[in-house]
Amino acid sequence: QKEVEQDPGPLSVPEGAIVSLNCTYSNSAFQYFMWYRQYSRKGPELLMYTYSSGNKEDGRFTAQVDKSSKYISLFIRDSQPSDSATYLCAMSGGYQKVTFGIGTKLQVIP
Amino acid sequence: SQTIHQWPATLVQPVGSPLSLECTVEGTSNPNLYWYRQAAGRGLQLLFYSVGIGQISSEVPQNLSASRPQDRQFILSSKKLLLSDSGFYLCAWSYAGRRDEQYFGPGTRLTVT
Repeated sequence: QKEVEQDPGPLSVPEGAIVSLNCTYSNSAFQYFMWYRQYSRKGPELLMYTYSSGNKEDGRFTAQVDKSSKYISLFIRDSQPSDSATYLCAMSGGYQKVTFGIGTKLQVIP
Repeated sequence: SQTIHQWPATLVQPVGSPLSLECTVEGTSNPNLYWYRQAAGRGLQLLFYSVGIGQISSEVPQNLSASRPQDRQFILSSKKLLLSDSGFYLCAWSYAGRRDEQYFGPGTRLTVT
């Protein structure tokens, strides 16, 4: 079993839809959770950073962490064509290496 | 603000040739530095990380090596490239004492022919 599982997609949604991206993990020591957005042929860009359980909102983006279920989510409201990218989840347990998901490719269709 | 640079952006090299990729960070001191390789469908693979000048930890044994000659400079090298070294190479940094919040450079796309 991989430490972090993420559906690679692709996920296609119409413009304006609410997008839900998810990752599950198996390591209960993880307590720092990140979401990165990566456009084609570019480096990943840190979108959201969350410590432990709970929600964090930033504009149209909401990150949720449920440590009891070992499940994290990223919601994108009012999705735009410019949101089309690959979204990687990432997590770590303090001063340890970060473990990344494989990434979910999202396409928002105008 | 902090900025991370990588060059070259793209590189095509023959099998058996040497490699040198460079990464520099501006706007922060004593960062942790990382080299990753990203292959299609396989996610990000950590190759090396460094917590200071001359301090390199290798995560994956292979024909690549890394060096950190200056505080904000990180170099990835190989003496002889293999076909399997093709991929997208990413440099990243994090604040000293932390490994979680990492910031990535624009990447170098390497094709070994």
